[in-house]
Amino acid sequence: GAVVSQHPSRVICKSGTSVKIECRSLDFQATTMFWYRQFPKQSLMLMATSNEGSKATYEQGVEKDKFLINHASLTLSTLTVTSAHPEDSSFYICSARDHGATNEKLFFGSGTQLSVL
Amino acid sequence: DAKTTQPNSMESNEEEPVHLPCNHSTISGTDYIHWYRQLPSQGPEYVIHGLTSNVNNRMASLAIAEDRKSSTLILHRATLRDAAVYYCILDRGSSNTGKLIFGQGTTLQVKP
Repeated sequence: GAVVSQHPSRVICKSGTSVKIECRSLDFQATTMFWYRQFPKQSLMLMATSNEGSKATYEQGVEKDKFLINHASLTLSTLTVTSAHPEDSSFYICSARDHGATNEKLFFGSGTQLSVL
Repeated sequence: DAKTTQPNSMESNEEEPVHLPCNHSTISGTDYIHWYRQLPSQGPEYVIHGLTSNVNNRMASLAIAEDRKSSTLILHRATLRDAAVYYCILDRGSSNTGKLIFGQGTTLQVKP
């Protein structure tokens, strides 16, 4: 079945540095990918929709200059957390929809636990 | 986006059936009912989905009310590995924005 690979699974960084998270669709092409953030004991919160070859669409309240999204190919989207602060520490999850599948279900990466010191 | 309502938590005994309810009274005709589950420290996993008819797969069954305003995810024999947060989500697919909005979900505890 379709797989979405997310890397790294865990990252610890110092405050003020930038962190890049990669999301790849392994056996299907994804013109659209989604980025979520999840704090402990809470549900997933949609941050933005990543569109291949064009600008990402951000949800209300999400700073586009802080969370840079690049979707340069049909199988890769990246999320860069710029000038990270401790409050950015969270579990980040990407997802992609396999438009070639009959049911268009959404596949999720395994998540990235970001800890900002 | 249409909203779903689920109980915060449920408990089950191992090897017994579990019925997880979901209300979606504002569902539209083009909304599919999707269920995903999330184990601790992992991304969500697809469980099952349906539009109008009941559905079965190797993981679970989905029973959809005739008016589509509610549905029930059925795990026929709960195992300890089924302990997770279960999300019921309405999905219009890529014909809309394609994005999925998650509610709070139901935390299922399975007792040995």
